[in-house]
Amino acid sequence: DTGVSQDPRHKITKRGQNVTFRCDPISEHNRLYWYRQTLGQGPEFLTYFQNEAQLEKSRLLSDRFSAERPKGSFSTLEIQRTEQGDSAMYLCASSRQPGQRDEQYFGPGTRLTVT
Amino acid sequence: GESVGLHLPTLSVQEGDNSIINCAYSNSASDYFIWYKQESGKGPQFIIDIRSNMDKRQGQRVTVLLNKTVKHLSLQIAATQPGDSAVYFCAEGGGATNKLIFGTGTLLAVQP
Repeated sequence: DTGVSQDPRHKITKRGQNVTFRCDPISEHNRLYWYRQTLGQGPEFLTYFQNEAQLEKSRLLSDRFSAERPKGSFSTLEIQRTEQGDSAMYLCASSRQPGQRDEQYFGPGTRLTVT
Repeated sequence: GESVGLHLPTLSVQEGDNSIINCAYSNSASDYFIWYKQESGKGPQFIIDIRSNMDKRQGQRVTVLLNKTVKHLSLQIAATQPGDSAVYFCAEGGGATNKLIFGTGTLLAVQP
């Protein structure tokens, strides 16, 4: 199975520390999305890449958050100076290029706990 | 507006019965709709999608109905099984990026 993979699956960090998450999309997918999900809620959009270009960022993505997709394949999401409010599940999804099938396939997520 | 609260709507059904999960979406301009199933500790799993130029689409044991007049989406699951127990989310998308906006989930509990 070559689905979307994310690493790490769980991360516990102290407030003020920096964390970085990785997402490996399905290989032929050139669209990549990051979402955040808190307990009892649906995922909320954070940012979107088409190949290596970051084309949209949500207002939820504060200056402490940065995402990259340097070669148009894997992506990283970094959170600097973490706060307790950053505790959530961070989900990555990928889909085919525009004009092809649009369904987004999600990875298992990285659960972040900020203490 | 956004839904808030930790208490998910719950649908409890008997094994073998049909289930219907409903969703209201917010944006009249959305042209793509999708249902996901999410089990505890896992990422959302794609179930079925539908475009706004259709009002019904069928998959294996699942049917999605779209009513654009009242901005309503439903997911029908035939012969519900214990393995169908999960939280179900509808999402709307479209536009250049197709970013998804998720609705409030519904917890489906299947009683054996």
